[in-house]
Amino acid sequence: DIQMTQSPSFVSASIGDRVTITCRASQDIGSWLAWFQQKPGKVPKLLIYGASNLQSGVPSRFSGRGSGTDFTLTITSLQPEDFATYYCQQADSFARTFGQGTKVEVK
Amino acid sequence: QVQLVDSGGGVVQPGRSLRLSCAASGFIFSDYPMHWVRQAPGKGLEWVAVISSDGTIKYYGDSVKGRFTISRDNSKNTLYLQLSSLRAEDTAVYYCVSALTYGVYFDHWGQGTLVTVSS
Repeated sequence: DIQMTQSPSFVSASIGDRVTITCRASQDIGSWLAWFQQKPGKVPKLLIYGASNLQSGVPSRFSGRGSGTDFTLTITSLQPEDFATYYCQQADSFARTFGQGTKVEVK
Repeated sequence: QVQLVDSGGGVVQPGRSLRLSCAASGFIFSDYPMHWVRQAPGKGLEWVAVISSDGTIKYYGDSVKGRFTISRDNSKNTLYLQLSSLRAEDTAVYYCVSALTYGVYFDHWGQGTLVTVSS
């Protein structure tokens, strides 16, 4: 199975900060990558698909880049509603795998 | 609108079995593969299993292979997950998930059903 490794596991940030989360795949997955946001007690929400495409309704301060094995999620100008846990997921194979998650906390 | 309603969770003893269900509506269920994803308390998301639209192809995560069985009844618009030989580490919220808009990306999730494995 394809392994997905996210870093860092935790980010302490302030309102207005720029936050970047990295995700690495154990093999080439092209652009078959998604990013999800999950808030406590809530269902995960699709933010980015195809590595860089913004899901409808997601603010433009979120952006995704990368292809092959290395990917990033960037939040420019962090807002109060962005404090959450973020997961990457590969969609290259039927057997999907998630990264371990990155929790964005208030500094 | 698309709805996925998960049910069947509860408290079960180690070694026993449980069947989860996911009732789908608002889309042509038989056209889409379906997945189960789980999340242990305070932990990350773990992909569990997938079934093809016609039910003939199934894949499982390594941690559940040989113990869990995914199935579907397209006449009832329902997805199932049979959990057997349950272990404490199977304790989690189980989500039924579909990828409708883009074909492969999880854009619709059930509300989840909690399975607690405890003696």
